[in-house]
Amino acid sequence: DTGVSQNPRHKITKRGQNVTFRCDPISEHNRLYWYRQTLGQGPEFLTYFQNEAQLEKSRLLSDRFSAERPKGSFSTLEIQRTEQGDSAMYLCASSPLDGTSSRETQYFGPGTRLLVL
Amino acid sequence: KQEVTQIPAALSVPEGENLVLNCSFTDSAIYNLQWFRQDPGKGLTSLLLIQSSQREQTSGRLNASLDKSSGRSTLYIAASQPGDSATYLCAVPMNYGGATNKLIFGTGTLLAVQP
Repeated sequence: DTGVSQNPRHKITKRGQNVTFRCDPISEHNRLYWYRQTLGQGPEFLTYFQNEAQLEKSRLLSDRFSAERPKGSFSTLEIQRTEQGDSAMYLCASSPLDGTSSRETQYFGPGTRLLVL
Repeated sequence: KQEVTQIPAALSVPEGENLVLNCSFTDSAIYNLQWFRQDPGKGLTSLLLIQSSQREQTSGRLNASLDKSSGRSTLYIAASQPGDSATYLCAVPMNYGGATNKLIFGTGTLLAVQP
């Protein structure tokens, strides 16, 4: 069990550029979540996958954001035409689907820190 | 709408002290409550998960309690150590009838344990 991994760990980009982040969940975890965390705040939910299906998207996820999980394993989060307000830590979490929602524990990756200049 | 609040926002204690971190939530219809630790610039590490039917969970020097009726949880850290210095976040899942257990987080308590 190698844990949730995210790449890259850091990304600096200029306003208007596109960026893509990758998340590799723990093997055989069906559920995958993306969150965004700005300085001094707790993480905020962005989107959720169960296997390859994207089942929920937050209103925070504007049209410039798109996420995929094509084979139900790794996931990518792309931001098009980045803005300075997109600067944040992007966190990925995964959990196993055991049918017992009350005991679901989400395991977080180290995050990708994005800075838009 | 569920809101999660944590107080204090920051806390500094000398090594060896026992301390309590507080978390409150507005909607008591929760499945569970989770406490996380976050080191600077890093991801989140799950510390304890308390199910709605439980009142306490313990792991080593950590003890978390849950009072759903009052919308409160506390994280008790015994005999604090400098290595406990981090931001502590509490979170509750929000499920509006779908399969998502998206977490609603508080803003965290930044703990500094002075040697």
